[in-house]
Amino acid sequence: NAGVMQNPRHLVRRRGQEARLRCSPMKGHSHVYWYRQLPEEGLKFMVYLQKENIIDESGMPKERFSAEFPKEGPSILRIQQVVRGDSAAYFCASSPTGQPFSQGEQYFGPGTRLTVT
Amino acid sequence: DQQVKQNSPSLSVQEGRISILNCDYTNSMFDYFLWYKKYPAEGPTFLISISSIKDKNEDGRFTVFLNKSAKHLSLHIVPSQPGDSAVYFCAASDGSYKYIFGTGTRLKVLA
Repeated sequence: NAGVMQNPRHLVRRRGQEARLRCSPMKGHSHVYWYRQLPEEGLKFMVYLQKENIIDESGMPKERFSAEFPKEGPSILRIQQVVRGDSAAYFCASSPTGQPFSQGEQYFGPGTRLTVT
Repeated sequence: DQQVKQNSPSLSVQEGRISILNCDYTNSMFDYFLWYKKYPAEGPTFLISISSIKDKNEDGRFTVFLNKSAKHLSLHIVPSQPGDSAVYFCAASDGSYKYIFGTGTRLKVLA
């Protein structure tokens, strides 16, 4: 299965702990996007990365959140000192180019459901 | 500021009939629109798209209509099948990678 993979699928953290969410893009895709879905809301763009570069992090909270996509390995979304309001589904998507409309759409992973207790 | 709106949170349709899901947008810079389908505990799956130079795009049982003057698009599913039961998200873009999603419509197709 060459789809977008995310792990863990479910993550429970206590307030103040760190959460690390991983995303492996589809084979051949070098562009990764992270979205967050709060309950009863649509998906909201957080950050767009290429290998070793953050292209656009305009949708990501300035504090406690960071993302990376190293040369080797998956993309990581890191949330430090989690709070209850961080409880959400976090989806990763990938595309073969940064212009997904010309050569393909964004393909989404199954998501990580983060619960902060 | 909700730039993409799906005002019907849910819709029930009898199997074999037409399902019509609606989406409105406010940003006139949007020029590309997509529909995604999402089953529980899965990620959204791309369904169909349309660019602003067209007013209709068809793919099998799925047709998307775009009315630019009304800033409105709709997804038609004919005939509806029980397997179509899912949450459908409308998304829009100004041509960039940044998709703006609506809040979704939960479709239930009754057998």
